[in-house]
Amino acid sequence: SQQGEEDPQALSIQEGENATMNCSYKTSINNLQWYRQNSGRGLVHLILIRSNEREKHSGRLRVTLDTSKKSSSLLITASRAADTASYFCASLSNTGNQFYFGTGTSLTVIP
Amino acid sequence: NAGVTQTPKFQVLKTGQSMTLQCAQDMNHEYMSWYRQDPGMGLRLIHYSVGAGITDQGEVPNGYNVSRSTTEDFPLRLLSAAPSQTSVYFCASSPLQTGGGYTFGSGTRLTVV
Repeated sequence: SQQGEEDPQALSIQEGENATMNCSYKTSINNLQWYRQNSGRGLVHLILIRSNEREKHSGRLRVTLDTSKKSSSLLITASRAADTASYFCASLSNTGNQFYFGTGTSLTVIP
Repeated sequence: NAGVTQTPKFQVLKTGQSMTLQCAQDMNHEYMSWYRQDPGMGLRLIHYSVGAGITDQGEVPNGYNVSRSTTEDFPLRLLSAAPSQTSVYFCASSPLQTGGGYTFGSGTRLTVV
């Protein structure tokens, strides 16, 4: 399978805490993206980081990329109950036009 | 601006039946793709297209056909439905090679009995 993997599979935190989820991928990439999926809905694009970038911020989101380890992390700071969702990373390979998604992290933020 | 529209939202098929899942986007995106989402498996790429007249296989193409006659439409055909094709199907589109994120449709929940 070309899919990446995400860690942890499930994460439960209190509102106000930070949430960190990790993603590993298998091939050389052009960019890596993170998505959020609320239950029963489609995925929503959150943030994109290119292969020549190491860190990127967007509001309460911070993404890091380590191409030597083929891994990325997503940090959500000061979490809110509304952040409860599944989070997926997706990598765009260098060799084609295929996006491969990770298996997802289910985040629960307890009010 | 409707984004990506998928129809139907729900469908029940009998084994052996065929059907077409529709996907349309109004953003003039070159890139369109189909994924299936199964519990514990994340999203797996079925087929994708980088423009009208061009399609290619993803990870799990068997049992599915696609065509791309226009920029806007990218239908997914199930040739002879099997219970293993019970899944939630998502269509997504993006501009090609600009680094933009995908826009996803709301999904089609398919059950094959």
